[in-house]
Amino acid sequence: DTEVTQTPKHLVMGMTNKKSLKCEQHMGHRAMYWYKQKAKKPPELMFVYSYEKLSINESVPSRFSPECPNSSLLNLHLHALQPEDSALYLCASSPPGQGIFGQYFGPGTRLTVT
Amino acid sequence: AQSVTQLGSHVSVSEGALVLLRCNYSSSVPPYLFWYVQYPNQGLQLLLKYTSAATLVKGINGFEAEFKKSETSFHLTKPSAHMSDAAEYFCAVSANSGYSTLTFGKGTMLLVSP
Repeated sequence: DTEVTQTPKHLVMGMTNKKSLKCEQHMGHRAMYWYKQKAKKPPELMFVYSYEKLSINESVPSRFSPECPNSSLLNLHLHALQPEDSALYLCASSPPGQGIFGQYFGPGTRLTVT
Repeated sequence: AQSVTQLGSHVSVSEGALVLLRCNYSSSVPPYLFWYVQYPNQGLQLLLKYTSAATLVKGINGFEAEFKKSETSFHLTKPSAHMSDAAEYFCAVSANSGYSTLTFGKGTMLLVSP
């Protein structure tokens, strides 16, 4: 299995809703990432988990709450989002190894906040 | 700090013509460099990577890139463009850390005309 899966593909939520994005990989990678990507822009790093521990939080607002229940699964919990949070949310994973391997990306979740 | 600069937000070629997408990097240490492709409404797919093993790197879909230290460049080429190559291309550099955080360029949209 050489892919990263993300569910759902599309999500529309109101500003008062609570929802979660899910990411899964079965490649044995021990680093997992959340990115936010706006149209015609590169992905922006949000969070990094290394060996199931949060290693990097790029000053992301607390309405985004990541969770890594095990080495294969990464969630992003969403609460009280703003319309400007509408974007493509990408999950990625990588093997351990000093950056040499690059990252493997999922197809993304297209989030619309109304 | 590491960074990459992609010259040209858009590149237009005719089908069958040479594709050249430019990327220059800045790094105080030997870098790991990557090219990713993103088709509309999809995630990022790794095209190829430079990890110091060989300066000419071959990737998927007929793409290749040459690492030139003297020019701090890692340009992406393909001898003959196909319509299916139309997509956004991102150059990225990896931080040399225990997990591979990526710094992306701003991206180049490749347009292929018949």
